[in-house]
Amino acid sequence: NAGVTQTPKFQVLKTGQSMTLQCAQDMNHEYMSWYRQDPGMGLRLIHYSVGAGITDQGEVPNGYNVSRSTTEDFPLRLLSAAPSQTSVYFCASNPSPYGEAFFGQGTRLTVV
Amino acid sequence: AQKVTQAQTEISVVEKEDVTLDCVYETRDTTYYLFWYKQPPSGELVFLIRRNSFDEQNEISGRYSWNFQKSTSSFNFTITASQVVDSAVYFCALRRLSYDKVIFGPGTSLSVIP
Repeated sequence: NAGVTQTPKFQVLKTGQSMTLQCAQDMNHEYMSWYRQDPGMGLRLIHYSVGAGITDQGEVPNGYNVSRSTTEDFPLRLLSAAPSQTSVYFCASNPSPYGEAFFGQGTRLTVV
Repeated sequence: AQKVTQAQTEISVVEKEDVTLDCVYETRDTTYYLFWYKQPPSGELVFLIRRNSFDEQNEISGRYSWNFQKSTSSFNFTITASQVVDSAVYFCALRRLSYDKVIFGPGTSLSVIP
């Protein structure tokens, strides 16, 4: 019973590098989201998707891209990493718009 | 504007004490949802409860209870007879009807000392 799986768990990038954080869920949820967690700020929504082929911006989308080609996968791309993107990233899926969120284990990203 | 305030940054209690975590929210919406999540030291986020704005009944689940009061825009969380395993960061969150709008509070770090 995997739930939401994020890879990698840890990553160090140099400024300007690009990378993709992977997120996959096996619960057939339509709704998926990416958040970043920074100290003292809770979680902030980066991008979200309400179904395959449909994505939109959240509160802090700059510097990130997403796509949703399948129900299961929702990768987050950092186009040109910056130190301000050092954070813990969480992927989540919801069975309904207002239902509980199921979170992945998180990815700790450091940009140097 | 929407906002979630968790004024208690850190709380420390001795095991078996009761503790209440405060959550105050701001919204102009009449329909919304409130959540509590737990983040233990291992880092994952665990759902605890969801409340919609039309349901002001308090809820009890084992040692956990929640007090939702629309009049004061509060959704407080009480742990009775705290245990070391309750040590975690607890987040309160507010979601509007539209899926894009979710606001998390800054979290309250609870330490339960044996």
